[in-house]
Amino acid sequence: AQSVAQPEDQVNVAEGNPLTVKCTYSVSGNPYLFWYVQYPNRGLQFLLKYITGDNLVKGSYGFEAEFNKSQTSFHLKKPSALVSDSALYFCAVRDSSLTLGRLYFGRGTQLTVWP
Amino acid sequence: ETGVTQTPRHLVMGMTNKKSLKCEQHLGHNAMYWYKQSAKKPLELMFVYSLEERVENNSVPSRFSPECPNSSHLFLHLHTLQPEDSALYLCASSQEPEGGTGIYEQYFGPGTRLTVT
Repeated sequence: AQSVAQPEDQVNVAEGNPLTVKCTYSVSGNPYLFWYVQYPNRGLQFLLKYITGDNLVKGSYGFEAEFNKSQTSFHLKKPSALVSDSALYFCAVRDSSLTLGRLYFGRGTQLTVWP
Repeated sequence: ETGVTQTPRHLVMGMTNKKSLKCEQHLGHNAMYWYKQSAKKPLELMFVYSLEERVENNSVPSRFSPECPNSSHLFLHLHTLQPEDSALYLCASSQEPEGGTGIYEQYFGPGTRLTVT
């Protein structure tokens, strides 16, 4: 069965400090992994993905994520947080062996960056 | 218009009303999705359409009825809803592989905030 866990409901960080939002996954085949961000009263916005290749992927707004197969993790990181990064972040996985892309989402992590 | 658009953005309806949510994608994608997002619950996949054919229906009550007349448009017809159906309804699209590589990530619309009174 496919699933995603985001162990932290809330992450708080000071502006300028590095941030990490954690994600672990379970999937039958090889994973395709995604991070999305949601601002209040908006839809989900795609940030980055891992399909194959380098384990470190870079995405929008200075975010990056590292795929770790042995730990089945795909943590989202940013070296220096901005107040404007405050939002709800979702990790998602799909099984690459399936022909149609059903995404499994985590429950989301609320990131708050204070000035 | 770019990306994925949804109308209306907000909808208040009584339990005996009939209404429809509309989604349009301007990305040339071949798959479209309806999700329900409720407070403090994971995102729930409701329906999946691939090449205008419904390929997944995740035990959604019959008071929700999807329609996909072409690859760019998706509707969600609502009737005799319950208060627990109040939520943010999100539409998404993706480009699934057709004999080659796809894009895989889904692109979301801004959602329709539905309130059932």
